[in-house]
Amino acid sequence: AQSVTQLGSHVSVSEGALVLLRCNYSSSVPPYLFWYVQYPNQGLQLLLKYTTGATLVKGINGFEAEFKKSETSFHLTKPSAHMSDAAEYFCAVSEGGSARQLTFGSGTQLTVLP
Amino acid sequence: EAGVVQSPRYKIIEKKQPVAFWCNPISGHNTLYWYRQNLGQGPELLIRYENEEAVDDSQLPKDRFSAERLKGVDSTLKIQPAELGDSAVYLCASSLGAVSYEQYFGPGTRLTVT
Repeated sequence: AQSVTQLGSHVSVSEGALVLLRCNYSSSVPPYLFWYVQYPNQGLQLLLKYTTGATLVKGINGFEAEFKKSETSFHLTKPSAHMSDAAEYFCAVSEGGSARQLTFGSGTQLTVLP
Repeated sequence: EAGVVQSPRYKIIEKKQPVAFWCNPISGHNTLYWYRQNLGQGPELLIRYENEEAVDDSQLPKDRFSAERLKGVDSTLKIQPAELGDSAVYLCASSLGAVSYEQYFGPGTRLTVT
């Protein structure tokens, strides 16, 4: 069975500082990995995904994540936080050849301080 | 292109009452998902449809929950009777069938059971 652990339910950073949101996964087969963002009272929006190939993936809004198989990690980073980045972020894993069976982590609430 | 549409956005009911949620997926998406998102948690899959067939309903509490997608487009999720523990956000998502790397989420219905 697959699972996702997001370390830190709340993360606060200052505007302009590095954003680092941690995600570790468990999967019995090579995983597909995803980061979603959820703004208040909205649905989830895909930030980026790793399926195969290059382990450093770039997404929208300046975010990127690196798949590290040896560490079973897929941490999300952004070099410089913006106030508009404040939201909840979910890491998700899928086994098999599609995103049809997603297992989500419990989320990390990102606060950006002025 | 219109996104995934859900209604109502908010619903407050008393326990033991019935409630229904409606979802219209993105045009052409033949895979539809219903998720439940409890406060402070990631979404958990309730049921997945491929066209009008429910192909994964293992997490749907069948004693009180039911879902349908009669023509392979719109879908309805019903709870009868509702319990206090059903208070959550119910999210609908859709994706292209076969191999698809992204699920598109609607804004959700926030259910409060009193």
